[in-house]
Amino acid sequence: ETGVTQSPTHLIKTRGQQVTLRCSSQSGHNTVSWYQQALGQGPQFIFQYYREEENGRGNFPPRFSGLQFPNYSSELNVNALELDDSALYLCASSVGTGVNEKLFFGSGTQLSVL
Amino acid sequence: DAKTTQPNSMESNEEEPVHLPCNHSTISGTDYIHWYRQLPSQGPEYVIHGLTSNVNNRMASLAIAEDRKSSTLILHRATLRDAAVYYCILRGFSGNTPLVFGKGTRLSVIA
Repeated sequence: ETGVTQSPTHLIKTRGQQVTLRCSSQSGHNTVSWYQQALGQGPQFIFQYYREEENGRGNFPPRFSGLQFPNYSSELNVNALELDDSALYLCASSVGTGVNEKLFFGSGTQLSVL
Repeated sequence: DAKTTQPNSMESNEEEPVHLPCNHSTISGTDYIHWYRQLPSQGPEYVIHGLTSNVNNRMASLAIAEDRKSSTLILHRATLRDAAVYYCILRGFSGNTPLVFGKGTRLSVIA
């Protein structure tokens, strides 16, 4: 059973550019969540996808968008990058959205915006 | 979401028990208490969760106060691999509830 994998592991972009981050969920998991973790802070919830539909969103602007594919893998897209978007982006998968579900996290993509 | 309060950092000697406290005085009756930890250069990892009764698993034990306004994560014998940031999180019973992380407690383990 493979865990959650994210690509790329590191990425450098310049302000104003667009970026796409990818996540392969753990086998059998139909729910994917994305989190942003700034240096020294806890992860902040961006949004969640359940069976290809967005079904929850945190306090992030519309330039943060996502997709979930039929195989339950997912993408996070960020348009018009800003310096403050520099962070570790974490993907987590789970079986469903219930309160007892454990989230399994990938190791993240470290995004630097210059 | 209800808030939790944790010490910024704690230190433990290897092979000794560690008690990581968490205060959640505004917890509601249907909030579950979840603990995750984040090892260096990794994503968070699930540790344990509970509602009212104390819980044990292979990683840790969770002791929940009778009034549920506080809880304690117990690592029975700390190892160097347990050095991590530990997050105490309240998760509401309604569906579609994301994890809301605070800053957590940074645990250092001394050999």
